[in-house]
Amino acid sequence: GDSVTQMEGPVTLSEEAFLTINCTYTATGYPSLFWYVQYPGEGLQLLLKATKADDKGSNKGFEATYRKETTSFHLEKGSVQVSDSAVYFCALRSGTASKLTFGTGTRLQVTL
Amino acid sequence: GAGVSQSPRYKVAKRGQDVALRCDPISGHVSLFWYQQALGQGPEFLTYFQNEAQLDKSGLPSDRFFAERPEGSVSTLKIQRTQQEDSAVYLCASSLQAPVGYEQYFGPGTRLTVT
Repeated sequence: GDSVTQMEGPVTLSEEAFLTINCTYTATGYPSLFWYVQYPGEGLQLLLKATKADDKGSNKGFEATYRKETTSFHLEKGSVQVSDSAVYFCALRSGTASKLTFGTGTRLQVTL
Repeated sequence: GAGVSQSPRYKVAKRGQDVALRCDPISGHVSLFWYQQALGQGPEFLTYFQNEAQLDKSGLPSDRFFAERPEGSVSTLKIQRTQQEDSAVYLCASSLQAPVGYEQYFGPGTRLTVT
């Protein structure tokens, strides 16, 4: 079945540091890939997505590239801010399926 | 406009009690999803509706879990004879049309604690 594996947290960075959160997946067919973010006390929000190989999703300075050859969708940001502190979830949706399959989440803590 | 709302936000139930969790999707959204998020885990799919039709209930963990959306808008997730392993955050999401290509918008969740 479909599955998503993402790096364990927490990840603790100083403000303005470079961020990478790794995500790899197993899926049938050609899935769409997503990063969701959950800020403290808030619901899940879509951060970015990519629907086919080599697509790059980007939003709020975050980027992720759909790599079919390595089945990966790593999240990156060049310079994190304290306000980026949250839990980040990688997710996929396979083919014509309706449901999202999530990873376990990675908590990011950014300090001054 | 208003987002997805869920009520109650917190629910404490004694083991063996029945609970009902409500989801109000974004107005006009055809698709509605329920997910279960255990502590420290990612959300896991429970069930999916398109309008009033429940098209996929493959994620419901047991026959104690039941979901309905009788008029194609508000949905209720019911858990009968709650057990401690049911303790989790229950998330509802809605999307505009058939799910492929459309973003799922999530509600804040209902945190269920079974004592």
